[in-house]
Amino acid sequence: DTGVSQNPRHKITKRGQNVTFRCDPISEHNRLYWYRQTLGQGPEFLTYFQNEAQLEKSRLLSDRFSAERPKGSFSTLEIQRTEQGDSAMYLCASSARTAEAFFGQGTRLTVV
Amino acid sequence: GIQVEQSPPDLILQEGANSTLRCNFSDSVNNLQWFHQNPWGQLINLFYIPSGTKQNGRLSATTVATERYSLLYISSSQTTDSGVYFCAVELDGTASKLTFGTGTRLQVTL
Repeated sequence: DTGVSQNPRHKITKRGQNVTFRCDPISEHNRLYWYRQTLGQGPEFLTYFQNEAQLEKSRLLSDRFSAERPKGSFSTLEIQRTEQGDSAMYLCASSARTAEAFFGQGTRLTVV
Repeated sequence: GIQVEQSPPDLILQEGANSTLRCNFSDSVNNLQWFHQNPWGQLINLFYIPSGTKQNGRLSATTVATERYSLLYISSSQTTDSGVYFCAVELDGTASKLTFGTGTRLQVTL
């Protein structure tokens, strides 16, 4: 296992389209997180899963955003009816109970 | 919410110089991590350091949790050290959710 994997690495979409990103965490990690990072800022927390349960969602996660983690393995983040303000880097992280988080390479979304 | 401030915001060094980056946080934290974000956006783990001092090669870090700050030391800097350095803290009871600092952008020149 080489770490947290995210796909795709880059996504360009037209405004109003739906997009879905995938995250494969480190295999023995039961916690999975999504963050969003805009230019010049630090990453901001979006949502958190422990196994398959989504335990916390940030108020940044509008109704157009949904995340799932079926069977407690990989996770998907879907954005419906994308807007230009959704353009950002979407980062996934995973951790075990020891709490050190490891991040994937990120998915860079551009909404045109 | 918790405030995490880093200083300096920008730093330019000549190769071979040493530097100290600082992270101040406004509340008690369970854990603290330092990351280096490379030009492609990947966050590279540097230290997981809720307290005490750790060293890894030319880098070392110290966290004084009771005084709510952490320091990252870079010695004999190299051009490959360029990028943005973030500290991130986990508040007590937040299940490892990280709150990131404002970042320090480091440029190492020849």
